[in-house]
Amino acid sequence: KAGVTQTPRYLIKTRGQQVTLSCSPISGHRSVSWYQQTPGQGLQFLFEYFSETQRNKGNFPGRFSGRQFSNSRSEMNVSTLELGDSALYLCASSLLLGKVNTEAFFGQGTRLTVV
Amino acid sequence: KNQVEQSPQSLIILEGKNCTLQCNYTVSPFSNLRWYKQDTGRGPVSLTIMTFSENTKSNGRYTATLDADTKQSSLHITASQLSDSASYICVVSAGRGATNKLIFGTGTLLAVQP
Repeated sequence: KAGVTQTPRYLIKTRGQQVTLSCSPISGHRSVSWYQQTPGQGLQFLFEYFSETQRNKGNFPGRFSGRQFSNSRSEMNVSTLELGDSALYLCASSLLLGKVNTEAFFGQGTRLTVV
Repeated sequence: KNQVEQSPQSLIILEGKNCTLQCNYTVSPFSNLRWYKQDTGRGPVSLTIMTFSENTKSNGRYTATLDADTKQSSLHITASQLSDSASYICVVSAGRGATNKLIFGTGTLLAVQP
Protein backbone atom coordinates (compact mmCIF):
# COMPACT_ATOMS: atom_id res chain seq x y z
CA LYS A 1 0.00 0.00 0.00
CA ALA A 2 1.60 3.27 -1.10
CA GLY A 3 2.14 5.95 1.52
CA VAL A 4 1.51 9.66 1.32
CA THR A 5 3.31 11.16 -1.67
CA GLN A 6 4.38 14.78 -1.82
CA THR A 7 5.83 16.51 -4.84
CA PRO A 8 8.19 18.07 -5.43
CA ARG A 9 10.63 17.08 -2.67
CA TYR A 10 12.69 20.24 -3.03
CA LEU A 11 11.89 23.66 -4.42
CA ILE A 12 13.74 26.97 -4.67
CA LYS A 13 11.76 30.12 -5.40
CA THR A 14 12.44 33.84 -5.28
CA ARG A 15 10.56 36.38 -3.23
CA GLY A 16 7.29 37.47 -4.77
CA GLN A 17 6.76 34.30 -6.73
CA GLN A 18 4.04 31.79 -6.05
CA VAL A 19 4.31 28.05 -5.53
CA THR A 20 2.04 25.03 -5.67
CA LEU A 21 2.74 21.88 -3.69
CA SER A 22 1.00 18.58 -4.25
CA CYS A 23 -0.04 15.77 -1.92
CA SER A 24 -1.48 12.38 -2.82
CA PRO A 25 -2.97 10.68 0.26
CA ILE A 26 -3.03 6.99 1.03
CA SER A 27 -5.62 5.24 -1.12
CA GLY A 28 -9.01 5.42 0.60
CA HIS A 29 -8.07 8.29 2.89
CA ARG A 30 -10.33 11.29 2.51
CA SER A 31 -8.83 13.73 5.01
CA VAL A 32 -5.70 15.69 4.09
CA SER A 33 -3.97 18.16 6.39
CA TRP A 34 -1.10 20.53 5.67
CA TYR A 35 1.59 21.68 8.09
CA GLN A 36 4.54 24.05 8.00
CA GLN A 37 7.65 23.00 9.91
CA THR A 38 10.44 25.43 10.75
CA PRO A 39 13.33 24.94 13.22
CA GLY A 40 12.10 27.64 15.56
CA GLN A 41 8.33 27.02 15.46
CA GLY A 42 8.01 23.29 15.06
CA LEU A 43 4.98 21.98 13.20
CA GLN A 44 2.25 24.54 12.58
CA PHE A 45 -1.18 23.52 11.29
CA LEU A 46 -2.21 25.18 8.02
CA PHE A 47 -5.53 23.61 7.03
CA GLU A 48 -7.44 20.37 6.67
CA TYR A 49 -9.58 19.18 3.80
CA PHE A 50 -12.18 16.46 3.75
CA SER A 51 -14.35 15.56 0.77
CA GLU A 52 -13.11 18.58 -1.18
CA THR A 53 -14.12 21.03 1.58
CA GLN A 54 -11.85 22.93 3.95
CA ARG A 55 -12.90 21.80 7.43
CA ASN A 56 -10.27 23.41 9.68
CA LYS A 57 -7.87 26.30 9.26
CA GLY A 58 -4.82 27.44 11.18
CA ASN A 59 -3.56 30.97 11.78
CA PHE A 60 -1.82 31.69 8.51
CA PRO A 61 -2.32 34.67 6.18
CA GLY A 62 -4.52 34.44 3.11
CA ARG A 63 -1.42 33.97 0.92
CA PHE A 64 -1.65 30.33 1.96
CA SER A 65 -4.48 28.46 0.30
CA GLY A 66 -5.36 24.95 -0.67
CA ARG A 67 -7.85 22.73 -2.34
CA GLN A 68 -8.79 19.08 -2.57
CA PHE A 69 -9.89 17.21 -5.65
CA SER A 70 -12.51 14.51 -6.01
CA ASN A 71 -9.81 11.81 -5.84
CA SER A 72 -8.70 13.26 -2.45
CA ARG A 73 -5.43 14.60 -3.86
CA SER A 74 -4.67 18.02 -2.45
CA GLU A 75 -2.68 21.04 -3.49
CA MET A 76 -1.36 23.89 -1.41
CA ASN A 77 -0.57 27.28 -2.91
CA VAL A 78 1.51 30.09 -1.47
CA SER A 79 1.40 33.42 -3.29
CA THR A 80 3.76 36.39 -3.01
CA LEU A 81 6.45 34.32 -1.33
CA GLU A 82 8.43 35.79 1.55
CA LEU A 83 11.79 34.70 2.93
CA GLY A 84 10.02 33.53 6.08
CA ASP A 85 8.02 31.01 4.07
CA SER A 86 11.14 28.85 3.76
CA ALA A 87 10.21 25.65 5.55
CA LEU A 88 9.42 21.98 5.26
CA TYR A 89 5.78 21.60 4.22
CA LEU A 90 4.23 18.36 5.37
CA CYS A 91 1.02 16.73 4.30
CA ALA A 92 -0.80 14.12 6.38
CA SER A 93 -3.68 11.90 5.38
CA SER A 94 -6.29 10.24 7.57
CA LEU A 95 -9.05 7.81 6.87
CA LEU A 96 -11.75 9.80 8.63
CA LEU A 97 -12.33 13.35 9.82
CA GLY A 98 -12.44 14.08 13.52
CA LYS A 99 -12.51 10.53 14.86
CA VAL A 100 -10.73 10.09 18.20
CA ASN A 101 -8.19 7.47 17.20
CA THR A 102 -7.79 8.29 13.55
CA GLU A 103 -4.14 7.87 12.67
CA ALA A 104 -2.44 10.58 10.64
CA PHE A 105 0.19 9.41 8.15
CA PHE A 106 2.71 11.96 6.98
CA GLY A 107 4.45 12.34 3.66
CA GLN A 108 8.15 13.05 3.28
CA GLY A 109 7.50 16.75 2.87
CA THR A 110 8.46 19.43 0.38
CA ARG A 111 11.46 21.52 1.34
CA LEU A 112 10.78 25.06 0.10
CA THR A 113 13.58 27.62 0.05
CA VAL A 114 12.76 31.23 -0.75
CA VAL A 115 15.72 33.38 -1.81
CA LYS B 1 -4.28 28.73 25.05
CA ASN B 2 -3.63 25.17 23.85
CA GLN B 3 0.04 24.35 24.28
CA VAL B 4 2.34 21.35 24.25
CA GLU B 5 5.78 21.64 25.83
CA GLN B 6 8.52 19.06 25.56
CA SER B 7 11.70 18.54 27.49
CA PRO B 8 14.56 18.30 27.15
CA GLN B 9 15.07 20.17 23.87
CA SER B 10 17.94 17.86 23.01
CA LEU B 11 19.56 14.80 24.48
CA ILE B 12 22.70 12.78 23.83
CA ILE B 13 22.96 9.22 25.12
CA LEU B 14 25.21 6.24 24.53
CA GLU B 15 24.01 3.27 22.53
CA GLY B 16 22.35 0.68 24.74
CA LYS B 17 21.25 3.16 27.40
CA ASN B 18 17.66 4.03 28.26
CA CYS B 19 16.14 7.50 28.16
CA THR B 20 12.87 9.25 28.95
CA LEU B 21 11.38 12.21 27.11
CA GLN B 22 8.76 14.44 28.69
CA CYS B 23 5.64 16.16 27.39
CA ASN B 24 3.42 18.56 29.31
CA TYR B 25 0.24 19.89 27.79
CA THR B 26 -2.50 22.40 28.43
CA VAL B 27 -5.11 21.39 25.89
CA SER B 28 -8.85 21.44 26.22
CA PRO B 29 -10.87 19.49 25.46
CA PHE B 30 -8.38 16.66 25.35
CA SER B 31 -8.98 13.98 22.77
CA ASN B 32 -5.80 11.92 22.51
CA LEU B 33 -2.01 12.15 22.73
CA ARG B 34 0.42 10.84 20.15
CA TRP B 35 4.17 10.43 19.96
CA TYR B 36 5.86 10.69 16.58
CA LYS B 37 9.43 9.97 15.51
CA GLN B 38 10.86 12.17 12.78
CA ASP B 39 14.13 11.28 11.09
CA THR B 40 16.06 14.15 9.55
CA GLY B 41 14.55 15.22 6.23
CA ARG B 42 11.59 12.86 6.50
CA GLY B 43 8.00 13.07 7.64
CA PRO B 44 6.95 12.09 11.19
CA VAL B 45 6.03 8.47 11.83
CA SER B 46 3.56 7.52 14.54
CA LEU B 47 4.87 5.56 17.54
CA THR B 48 1.86 5.51 19.89
CA ILE B 49 -1.55 7.05 20.31
CA MET B 50 -3.35 7.16 23.67
CA THR B 51 -6.80 8.28 24.70
CA PHE B 52 -7.87 9.71 28.04
CA SER B 53 -8.51 6.30 29.58
CA GLU B 54 -5.15 4.77 28.63
CA ASN B 55 -2.13 5.37 30.85
CA THR B 56 0.49 3.27 29.12
CA LYS B 57 1.13 1.91 25.65
CA SER B 58 4.12 0.12 24.19
CA ASN B 59 5.51 -0.22 20.70
CA GLY B 60 8.60 -2.42 20.79
CA ARG B 61 11.30 -0.59 22.73
CA TYR B 62 9.13 2.50 23.01
CA THR B 63 6.75 2.88 25.98
CA ALA B 64 4.53 5.91 26.37
CA THR B 65 2.72 6.88 29.57
CA LEU B 66 -0.09 9.34 30.09
CA ASP B 67 -1.25 11.00 33.31
CA ALA B 68 -4.42 12.85 32.38
CA ASP B 69 -4.71 14.38 35.85
CA THR B 70 -1.34 16.13 35.73
CA LYS B 71 -1.50 16.48 31.93
CA GLN B 72 1.86 14.87 31.46
CA SER B 73 3.16 12.19 29.14
CA SER B 74 6.51 10.50 28.82
CA LEU B 75 8.18 8.40 26.16
CA HIS B 76 10.66 5.84 27.45
CA ILE B 77 13.16 4.30 25.04
CA THR B 78 14.80 1.09 26.18
CA ALA B 79 18.19 -0.20 25.04
CA SER B 80 18.72 2.64 22.59
CA GLN B 81 20.08 2.02 19.09
CA LEU B 82 21.85 4.33 16.68
CA SER B 83 18.70 4.34 14.54
CA ASP B 84 16.78 5.94 17.40
CA SER B 85 18.58 9.21 16.64
CA ALA B 86 15.74 11.47 15.55
CA SER B 87 13.36 14.18 16.71
CA TYR B 88 10.51 12.94 18.91
CA ILE B 89 7.36 14.99 18.75
CA CYS B 90 4.48 14.94 21.21
CA VAL B 91 1.14 15.79 19.64
CA VAL B 92 -2.12 16.39 21.49
CA SER B 93 -5.43 16.23 19.72
CA ALA B 94 -7.86 18.90 20.88
CA GLY B 95 -11.55 19.25 20.29
CA ARG B 96 -14.35 16.98 19.29
CA GLY B 97 -15.66 15.70 16.02
CA ALA B 98 -15.12 17.92 13.02
CA THR B 99 -13.26 20.56 15.03
CA ASN B 100 -10.56 18.14 16.15
CA LYS B 101 -7.10 19.76 15.80
CA LEU B 102 -3.57 18.56 16.40
CA ILE B 103 -1.34 20.66 18.69
CA PHE B 104 2.35 19.89 18.19
CA GLY B 105 5.23 20.19 20.62
CA THR B 106 8.53 21.48 19.26
CA GLY B 107 10.15 18.10 19.78
CA THR B 108 13.13 16.57 21.55
CA LEU B 109 16.17 15.95 19.41
CA LEU B 110 17.77 12.67 20.46
CA ALA B 111 21.29 11.69 19.41
CA VAL B 112 22.45 8.15 20.17
CA GLN B 113 26.22 7.77 20.05
CA PRO B 114 28.22 4.56 19.71
